[in-house]
Amino acid sequence: DIQMTQSPFSLSASVGDRVTITCRASQSITQYLNWYQQKAGKAPKLLIYAASTLHTGVPSRFSGSGSGTDFTLTISSLQSEDFATYYCQQSYSTPFTFGPGTKVDIK
Amino acid sequence: EVQLVESGGGLVQPGGSLRLSCAASGFTVSSNYMNWVRQAPGKGLEWVSILYSGGNTYYADSVKGRFTISRDNSKNTVYLQMNSVRAEDTAVYYCARKQDFYRNHDAFDIWGQGTMVTVSS
Repeated sequence: DIQMTQSPFSLSASVGDRVTITCRASQSITQYLNWYQQKAGKAPKLLIYAASTLHTGVPSRFSGSGSGTDFTLTISSLQSEDFATYYCQQSYSTPFTFGPGTKVDIK
Repeated sequence: EVQLVESGGGLVQPGGSLRLSCAASGFTVSSNYMNWVRQAPGKGLEWVSILYSGGNTYYADSVKGRFTISRDNSKNTVYLQMNSVRAEDTAVYYCARKQDFYRNHDAFDIWGQGTMVTVSS
């Protein structure tokens, strides 16, 4: 099975900050990497698929990059509605594993 | 409107059974890749199972042999039959569509609101 790790586990940031979250796969997944946002008590929402393609309706302050084993999610200017937990997920092979999540909260 | 609505969660004793339902609207489950993803209290997301449009199914090792995913095309509904449940199966269970965007790059694009399953005596 492909293991996914994320760093940091959590971070505190202010509105307007640039935030970067890293995701690493235990083997190459080329660009079969997706990012999700989950707010407390809600279902996850798809942000980015195929490592760097923004899903419909997602603000352009979100961006993704990477290939192989190392990936990043960047929020260029953090907004109040972005405080949430972010998960990466590989779609290269079953089981479709998720990273442990990165919680972004208010500094 | 495209949406998924889960039901069927509740309290079940260890070793018991439960069937979760996921009713789809705005699209056809038989033409899509339908999944169950769960989240234990305070924990991260865990993929559980997938039912491909062609009928193939796959499961996480943690539920293999105990859970079964299926669909009823006439009701446009996907199910998760949970047998021999354990305390570690306690979680919110989400139904999710896996959309193939291009060249097999797929992702979970539509999620239900989730249904809570608690396994306890």
